[in-house]
Amino acid sequence: LAKTTQPISMDSYEGQEVNITCSHNNIATNDYITWYQQFPSQGPRFIIQGYKTKVTNEVASLFIPADRKSSTLSLPRVSLSDTAVYYCLVHSNTGKLIFGQGTTLQVKP
Amino acid sequence: GAVVSQHPSWVICKSGTSVKIECRSLDFQATTMFWYRQFPKQSLMLMATSNEGSKATYEQGVEKDKFLINHASLTLSTLTVTSAHPEDSSFYICSARDTGGTEAFFGQGTRLTVV
Repeated sequence: LAKTTQPISMDSYEGQEVNITCSHNNIATNDYITWYQQFPSQGPRFIIQGYKTKVTNEVASLFIPADRKSSTLSLPRVSLSDTAVYYCLVHSNTGKLIFGQGTTLQVKP
Repeated sequence: GAVVSQHPSWVICKSGTSVKIECRSLDFQATTMFWYRQFPKQSLMLMATSNEGSKATYEQGVEKDKFLINHASLTLSTLTVTSAHPEDSSFYICSARDTGGTEAFFGQGTRLTVV
């Protein structure tokens, strides 16, 4: 079973900031949190990975509170091309990658 | 990010034949590779985990004799769907984890259609 819970869907408008929260109450000490983006008929694309606090790269930020029981992916100023399914995974560096339902983000003009 | 190449991107085969799908890590070595299948409007379902030089570990309900996995080198894993049937039609995706790292990268997927 997946270790994570995410909203099934979200809607947003172009130019807005989107925050997708993932719950992982049973995260283990050696687990990392990784987010992927998937477009139809394509393999998932790595977005960002973190262990604690905040991580930022050129496409997103990942906020992880001190208890690590949840995480929030932040996408600044989304565009239509950000419409996709976003998956949050929790895993160790040697463990399996189990996908949950993911969040379908629909960006509207 | 690192590149994982999957081949072919799509394949159509006749019922009863076998199909081989290749997964290569192009710019890194991958001790561990994962194979998934995905049905329309559903999430990825892990089929098996393969480690270089050893037998793959299959998830519950996945027939190891039907889905043969070989991981003979640190850059190549193959999935062979044997005696394919229409119900095996799906989107198959591989993933490779950088040896010693924490990130895993995915191939572009293979659309298999069995007719």
